[in-house]
Amino acid sequence: QQQVKQSPQSLIVQKGGISIINCAYENTAFDYFPWYQQFPGKGPALLIAIRPDVSEKKEGRFTISFNKSAKQFSLHIMDSQPGDSATYFCAASMTASYGKLTFGQGTILTVHP
Amino acid sequence: EAQVTQNPRYLITVTGKKLTVTCSQNMNHEYMSWYRQDPGLGLRQIYYSMNVEVTDKGDVPEGYKVSRKEKRNFPLILESPSPNQTSLYFCASSPWGQESSPLHFGNGTRLTVT
Repeated sequence: QQQVKQSPQSLIVQKGGISIINCAYENTAFDYFPWYQQFPGKGPALLIAIRPDVSEKKEGRFTISFNKSAKQFSLHIMDSQPGDSATYFCAASMTASYGKLTFGQGTILTVHP
Repeated sequence: EAQVTQNPRYLITVTGKKLTVTCSQNMNHEYMSWYRQDPGLGLRQIYYSMNVEVTDKGDVPEGYKVSRKEKRNFPLILESPSPNQTSLYFCASSPWGQESSPLHFGNGTRLTVT
Protein backbone atom coordinates (compact mmCIF):
# COMPACT_ATOMS: atom_id res chain seq x y z
CA GLN A 1 0.00 0.00 0.00
CA GLN A 2 1.33 3.41 -0.98
CA GLN A 3 0.41 5.75 1.82
CA VAL A 4 2.15 8.75 0.30
CA LYS A 5 1.61 9.44 -3.40
CA GLN A 6 3.94 11.86 -5.18
CA SER A 7 3.67 13.54 -8.56
CA PRO A 8 4.99 14.19 -11.12
CA GLN A 9 7.48 11.38 -11.60
CA SER A 10 9.75 13.73 -13.54
CA LEU A 11 9.85 17.47 -14.10
CA ILE A 12 11.82 19.68 -16.45
CA VAL A 13 12.06 23.38 -15.68
CA GLN A 14 14.00 26.25 -17.18
CA LYS A 15 16.47 28.15 -15.05
CA GLY A 16 14.66 30.83 -13.08
CA GLY A 17 11.32 29.03 -13.25
CA ILE A 18 9.21 27.60 -10.45
CA SER A 19 9.30 23.87 -9.73
CA ILE A 20 6.27 22.36 -8.02
CA ILE A 21 6.07 18.82 -6.66
CA ASN A 22 2.92 17.49 -5.05
CA CYS A 23 2.22 14.80 -2.47
CA ALA A 24 -0.93 13.33 -1.00
CA TYR A 25 -1.22 11.14 2.05
CA GLU A 26 -3.88 8.83 3.44
CA ASN A 27 -3.03 8.32 7.09
CA THR A 28 -4.49 11.17 9.16
CA ALA A 29 -2.19 10.20 12.04
CA PHE A 30 0.81 11.55 10.09
CA ASP A 31 1.99 14.78 11.67
CA TYR A 32 5.48 15.37 10.30
CA PHE A 33 6.13 15.97 6.60
CA PRO A 34 9.73 16.32 5.41
CA TRP A 35 11.18 16.65 1.96
CA TYR A 36 14.44 14.97 1.09
CA GLN A 37 16.79 15.87 -1.76
CA GLN A 38 19.01 13.28 -3.42
CA PHE A 39 21.88 13.94 -5.80
CA PRO A 40 23.24 11.17 -8.06
CA GLY A 41 25.46 8.75 -6.20
CA LYS A 42 24.43 10.10 -2.82
CA GLY A 43 21.90 9.26 -0.17
CA PRO A 44 18.87 11.50 0.42
CA ALA A 45 19.33 14.47 2.73
CA LEU A 46 16.72 16.49 4.60
CA LEU A 47 15.79 19.66 2.72
CA ILE A 48 12.85 21.15 4.60
CA ALA A 49 10.02 19.88 6.81
CA ILE A 50 6.64 21.00 8.11
CA ARG A 51 4.13 20.09 10.78
CA PRO A 52 0.37 20.41 10.17
CA ASP A 53 -0.10 23.28 12.61
CA VAL A 54 1.14 25.67 9.91
CA SER A 55 0.05 25.98 6.29
CA GLU A 56 3.37 27.12 4.87
CA LYS A 57 7.05 27.04 5.66
CA LYS A 58 9.74 28.84 3.71
CA GLU A 59 13.48 28.37 3.74
CA GLY A 60 15.27 30.42 1.14
CA ARG A 61 13.98 29.44 -2.30
CA PHE A 62 12.20 26.36 -0.95
CA THR A 63 8.62 26.49 0.36
CA ILE A 64 6.32 23.77 1.65
CA SER A 65 2.59 24.39 1.34
CA PHE A 66 0.35 22.20 3.47
CA ASN A 67 -3.40 21.57 3.13
CA LYS A 68 -4.58 19.47 6.06
CA SER A 69 -8.20 19.13 4.95
CA ALA A 70 -7.15 17.87 1.51
CA LYS A 71 -4.34 15.75 2.98
CA GLN A 72 -1.92 17.25 0.51
CA PHE A 73 1.39 19.07 0.66
CA SER A 74 3.71 20.43 -1.97
CA LEU A 75 7.24 21.67 -2.48
CA HIS A 76 7.81 24.88 -4.42
CA ILE A 77 11.28 25.78 -5.63
CA MET A 78 11.44 29.41 -6.67
CA ASP A 79 14.04 30.69 -9.14
CA SER A 80 15.07 27.12 -9.92
CA GLN A 81 18.78 26.62 -10.64
CA PRO A 82 20.68 23.87 -12.48
CA GLY A 83 22.20 22.94 -9.12
CA ASP A 84 18.69 22.05 -7.92
CA SER A 85 18.61 19.16 -10.40
CA ALA A 86 18.11 16.13 -8.18
CA THR A 87 15.54 13.59 -7.07
CA TYR A 88 13.09 14.87 -4.48
CA PHE A 89 11.17 12.69 -2.07
CA CYS A 90 8.28 13.73 0.10
CA ALA A 91 7.72 11.72 3.26
CA ALA A 92 5.45 11.46 6.26
CA SER A 93 5.64 10.09 9.76
CA MET A 94 3.91 10.12 13.11
CA THR A 95 5.39 11.96 16.08
CA ALA A 96 5.38 8.72 18.03
CA SER A 97 7.82 7.19 15.54
CA TYR A 98 10.15 9.96 14.39
CA GLY A 99 12.47 7.82 12.35
CA LYS A 100 9.87 5.67 10.63
CA LEU A 101 9.27 7.66 7.49
CA THR A 102 6.97 6.64 4.68
CA PHE A 103 8.31 8.03 1.41
CA GLY A 104 6.65 9.04 -1.81
CA GLN A 105 7.74 7.66 -5.18
CA GLY A 106 10.20 10.45 -5.91
CA THR A 107 10.42 13.19 -8.55
CA ILE A 108 13.41 13.63 -10.83
CA LEU A 109 13.87 17.36 -11.34
CA THR A 110 15.96 18.67 -14.21
CA VAL A 111 16.63 22.39 -14.43
CA HIS A 112 17.92 23.49 -17.81
CA PRO A 113 20.37 26.43 -17.97
CA GLU B 1 33.00 13.67 10.29
CA ALA B 2 29.51 12.46 11.19
CA GLN B 3 28.48 9.86 8.69
CA VAL B 4 26.76 6.62 7.81
CA THR B 5 29.08 4.26 5.98
CA GLN B 6 27.84 1.42 3.81
CA ASN B 7 29.93 -1.26 2.17
CA PRO B 8 30.25 -2.28 -0.53
CA ARG B 9 29.06 0.50 -2.87
CA TYR B 10 28.52 -1.97 -5.71
CA LEU B 11 27.85 -5.69 -5.55
CA ILE B 12 27.08 -8.21 -8.27
CA THR B 13 26.14 -11.70 -7.16
CA VAL B 14 24.29 -14.79 -8.29
CA THR B 15 20.99 -16.18 -7.14
CA GLY B 16 21.21 -18.02 -3.84
CA LYS B 17 24.66 -16.85 -2.75
CA LYS B 18 24.41 -15.37 0.73
CA LEU B 19 25.63 -11.80 1.13
CA THR B 20 25.90 -9.12 3.78
CA VAL B 21 25.83 -5.37 3.31
CA THR B 22 27.41 -3.56 6.21
CA CYS B 23 26.29 -0.27 7.74
CA SER B 24 28.04 1.71 10.42
CA GLN B 25 27.31 5.11 11.95
CA ASN B 26 29.53 7.24 14.17
CA MET B 27 26.87 9.55 15.61
CA ASN B 28 25.73 7.35 18.51
CA HIS B 29 22.24 7.21 17.02
CA GLU B 30 19.73 4.83 18.53
CA TYR B 31 17.59 4.42 15.43
CA MET B 32 18.84 2.70 12.28
CA SER B 33 16.97 1.55 9.21
CA TRP B 34 17.38 -0.05 5.81
CA TYR B 35 15.57 1.16 2.70
CA ARG B 36 15.53 -0.01 -0.88
CA GLN B 37 15.06 2.43 -3.73
CA ASP B 38 13.42 1.33 -6.96
CA PRO B 39 12.32 3.51 -9.90
CA GLY B 40 8.70 4.57 -9.55
CA LEU B 41 8.44 3.09 -6.06
CA GLY B 42 10.53 5.52 -4.07
CA LEU B 43 12.18 4.44 -0.84
CA ARG B 44 10.64 1.49 0.93
CA GLN B 45 11.63 0.46 4.42
CA ILE B 46 12.97 -3.06 4.86
CA TYR B 47 13.83 -3.29 8.56
CA TYR B 48 14.50 -0.87 11.36
CA SER B 49 16.04 -0.92 14.81
CA MET B 50 15.27 1.36 17.72
CA ASN B 51 18.29 0.26 19.73
CA VAL B 52 20.66 -2.61 20.37
CA GLU B 53 18.92 -5.99 20.11
CA VAL B 54 15.63 -4.29 19.09
CA THR B 55 14.64 -4.78 15.46
CA ASP B 56 11.35 -4.82 13.60
CA LYS B 57 10.02 -5.33 10.11
CA GLY B 58 9.36 -2.46 7.78
CA ASP B 59 7.16 -2.55 4.72
CA VAL B 60 9.13 -5.00 2.55
CA PRO B 61 11.03 -7.39 4.87
CA GLU B 62 10.66 -10.63 2.89
CA GLY B 63 14.00 -12.16 1.94
CA TYR B 64 16.04 -10.00 4.31
CA LYS B 65 17.50 -10.31 7.79
CA VAL B 66 19.15 -7.81 10.08
CA SER B 67 20.93 -7.79 13.40
CA ARG B 68 21.84 -5.06 15.89
CA LYS B 69 24.46 -6.39 18.26
CA GLU B 70 26.23 -3.06 18.59
CA LYS B 71 24.79 0.44 18.54
CA ARG B 72 26.91 1.59 15.63
CA ASN B 73 26.39 -1.37 13.26
CA PHE B 74 23.30 -2.61 11.45
CA PRO B 75 24.13 -5.17 8.74
CA LEU B 76 21.62 -6.27 6.12
CA ILE B 77 21.73 -9.97 5.27
CA LEU B 78 20.35 -11.63 2.18
CA GLU B 79 20.56 -15.35 2.86
CA SER B 80 19.39 -16.47 -0.58
CA PRO B 81 19.31 -13.47 -2.93
CA SER B 82 16.95 -13.48 -5.88
CA PRO B 83 16.83 -11.23 -8.98
CA ASN B 84 13.88 -9.25 -7.56
CA GLN B 85 16.22 -8.02 -4.84
CA THR B 86 18.27 -6.17 -7.43
CA SER B 87 18.00 -2.63 -6.15
CA LEU B 88 19.72 0.38 -4.60
CA TYR B 89 19.94 -0.01 -0.84
CA PHE B 90 20.32 2.72 1.75
CA CYS B 91 21.10 2.57 5.42
CA ALA B 92 19.99 5.48 7.59
CA SER B 93 20.21 6.54 11.21
CA SER B 94 18.78 9.16 13.53
CA PRO B 95 18.62 9.89 17.24
CA TRP B 96 15.47 8.37 18.67
CA GLY B 97 13.00 10.50 20.54
CA GLN B 98 14.26 13.86 19.33
CA GLU B 99 11.58 15.82 17.55
CA SER B 100 12.23 16.52 13.91
CA SER B 101 15.59 14.77 13.86
CA PRO B 102 16.47 14.08 10.25
CA LEU B 103 17.45 10.70 8.93
CA HIS B 104 21.12 10.54 7.97
CA PHE B 105 21.61 8.31 4.94
CA GLY B 106 24.63 6.46 3.67
CA ASN B 107 25.64 6.75 0.02
CA GLY B 108 23.96 3.55 -1.00
CA THR B 109 24.82 0.04 -2.17
CA ARG B 110 23.82 -0.94 -5.67
CA LEU B 111 23.09 -4.66 -5.72
CA THR B 112 22.63 -6.75 -8.83
CA VAL B 113 21.48 -10.37 -8.50
CA THR B 114 21.74 -12.45 -11.66
